[in-house]
Amino acid sequence: GQNIDQPTEMTATEGAIVQINCTYQTSGFNGLFWYQQHAGEAPTFLSYNVLDGLEEKGRFSSFLSRSKGYSYLLLKELQMKDSASYLCAVCDSNYQLIWGAGTKLIIKP
Amino acid sequence: DAMVIQNPRYQVTQFGKPVTLSCSQTLNHNVMYWYQQKSSQAPKLLFHYYDKDFNNEADTPDNFQSRRPNTSFCFLDIRSPGLGDAAMYLCATSRATGDIYEQYFGPGTRLTVT
Repeated sequence: GQNIDQPTEMTATEGAIVQINCTYQTSGFNGLFWYQQHAGEAPTFLSYNVLDGLEEKGRFSSFLSRSKGYSYLLLKELQMKDSASYLCAVCDSNYQLIWGAGTKLIIKP
Repeated sequence: DAMVIQNPRYQVTQFGKPVTLSCSQTLNHNVMYWYQQKSSQAPKLLFHYYDKDFNNEADTPDNFQSRRPNTSFCFLDIRSPGLGDAAMYLCATSRATGDIYEQYFGPGTRLTVT
């Protein structure tokens, strides 16, 4: 079967750095997406990785290791508005997105 | 601004009473998706259209139907809603399938079944 695993919830302090991990087992791999979802709102695109390594985009970075079936999203200089759920999704061999349940990130002052 | 619009944002229906949710897009994307998302769970793909070609997920209940009369609009019909169908329903679009394209989501419709 296909499986995406992320921690259910994480807590971090404003101004700090947090790393959200995602491990996956899917039938085929055509890239991995990270989306941000604020409570009661739709997911919004953050990043896409298809090759191994780190992709940096401002305060957010995403890392991929295809051999380990592993990715992480790194958030720096945390702000209160970063409190949200972060969803990992893998594009499988049929170009369908397989979604994780999301990691709820709580930022404390 | 190009976008994905869903109406209504909140819908309350009675057990067994049919309900229709709508989605429109100004992105001119070929593909439209309907997802069901329950609290703290992953979005669950119900179906998607590539242009007018309809693709139903194997585990989507028969209670859920969809229509796409043109490129811009897509509807989700729930014929006889049960209490277990209460969820957020997300519409998304992408340029195409068969390649890697980001999905753009609408704001969602939160369905309550009483």
